[in-house]
Amino acid sequence: GAGVSQSPSNKVTEKGKDVELRCDPISGHTALYWYRQRLGQGLEFLIYFQGNSAPDKSGLPSDRFSAERTGESVSTLTIQRTQQEDSAVYLCASSSQLAGDNEQFFGPGTRLTVL
Amino acid sequence: QKEVEQNSGPLSVPEGAIASLNCTYSDRGSQSFFWYRQYSGKSPELIMFIYSNGDKEDGRFTAQLNKASQYVSLLIRDSQPSDSATYLCAVTGSGGFKTIFGAGTRLFVKA
Repeated sequence: GAGVSQSPSNKVTEKGKDVELRCDPISGHTALYWYRQRLGQGLEFLIYFQGNSAPDKSGLPSDRFSAERTGESVSTLTIQRTQQEDSAVYLCASSSQLAGDNEQFFGPGTRLTVL
Repeated sequence: QKEVEQNSGPLSVPEGAIASLNCTYSDRGSQSFFWYRQYSGKSPELIMFIYSNGDKEDGRFTAQLNKASQYVSLLIRDSQPSDSATYLCAVTGSGGFKTIFGAGTRLFVKA
């Protein structure tokens, strides 16, 4: 079946503009994660959705960042008033979390460049 | 103290040797431990996961977990140039499914 997809693959924006990144998880996966990866760095946890539970937003770096998920499907990550330090690859992952299995399947990422 | 720590490397080993990658974590209640491989410019992909103390083998890969020492490692036997990548250690904490990744160790396997 199809894997995790993300759009756009690349986004160049000007400082101060808002951007919206989209993630389509694997069908049936109840859990969805967003991570940020700066050049040469590891993955930085941003937010986690699990079914209809309240999301774990503990990784969002500021109130400029927000994310939504409709049921167990598409998620959007919104960054308002973008800053140059927001430039990074934003990765989305989904997981079925059956029987405690937390293997995450990653999308190809969205490379965000803030000029 | 970072929640998940890895030596950034690079770790360089000759082809055919054993590569040993190490990771320590701070949350003593952590439940699940994962090793992901990330090729340059690509997304991470799962290599192995381990939940219980001891060793778990899968082909050329062996994951080792020591919860008392809060230490998890990955051994790659008969290393190949195609194993050259960044290896990310990931830990799911005691509070749920939130996963924290280490910064990764870059591995180079020389032909």
